[in-house]
Amino acid sequence: AQSVSQHNHHVILSEAASLELGCNYSYGGTVNLFWYVQYPGQHLQLLLKYFSGDPLVKGIKGFEAEFIKSKFSFNLRKPSVQWSDTAEYFCAALYSSASKIIFGSGTRLSIRP
Amino acid sequence: EAGVAQSPRYKIIEKRQSVAFWCNPISGHATLYWYQQILGQGPKLLIQFQNNGVVDDSQLPKDRFSAERLKGVDSTLKIQPAKLEDSAVYLCASSSSPGLAGGGQYFGPGTRLTVL
Repeated sequence: AQSVSQHNHHVILSEAASLELGCNYSYGGTVNLFWYVQYPGQHLQLLLKYFSGDPLVKGIKGFEAEFIKSKFSFNLRKPSVQWSDTAEYFCAALYSSASKIIFGSGTRLSIRP
Repeated sequence: EAGVAQSPRYKIIEKRQSVAFWCNPISGHATLYWYQQILGQGPKLLIQFQNNGVVDDSQLPKDRFSAERLKGVDSTLKIQPAKLEDSAVYLCASSSSPGLAGGGQYFGPGTRLTVL
């Protein structure tokens, strides 16, 4: 079955630290990948997406993600986090074969000021 | 541009009661999604509409859940009768196309349902 895994449930960092959140997806043919963010009290919003082309994708607020096909991964990175990055982050995959988007379980990111 | 609207924001009911949620997508978005997000989990797709037709409802518990989008604009999700395990946030999202090639999905604020 198609699935998306986020192994880090809760990550705690200090401001200015570098961030990498893991995301792995199961094989299922052509897949498009997304990272969504949910800030406290707000609704889910798109951070970045990968459809094709350059595997290094840049999103809003200094975030980027790298699609590594051989590892079935799409990790989210940011070189220097800020307190305002405190949020829950969801990785998602749209499998073309199923035309269905599947979300990971999310990673809660807490930033110490 | 107005976002995806949902109501109510919160609902508390007792098990075996009925409940309905309403969603109004972004104007012009043909694709509408209903998700269930249980605490500690990611959103799970319940049903996807393309205009007023159902594209995918494979994960909708059809014995108790129903959804409609009669005019291809706003949508209603109903649970009848509710069970304790239905306690969750119900998210509505919309997109301009099912392939999400544009800006992806736009999510509403959700309805937090508590079943006692």
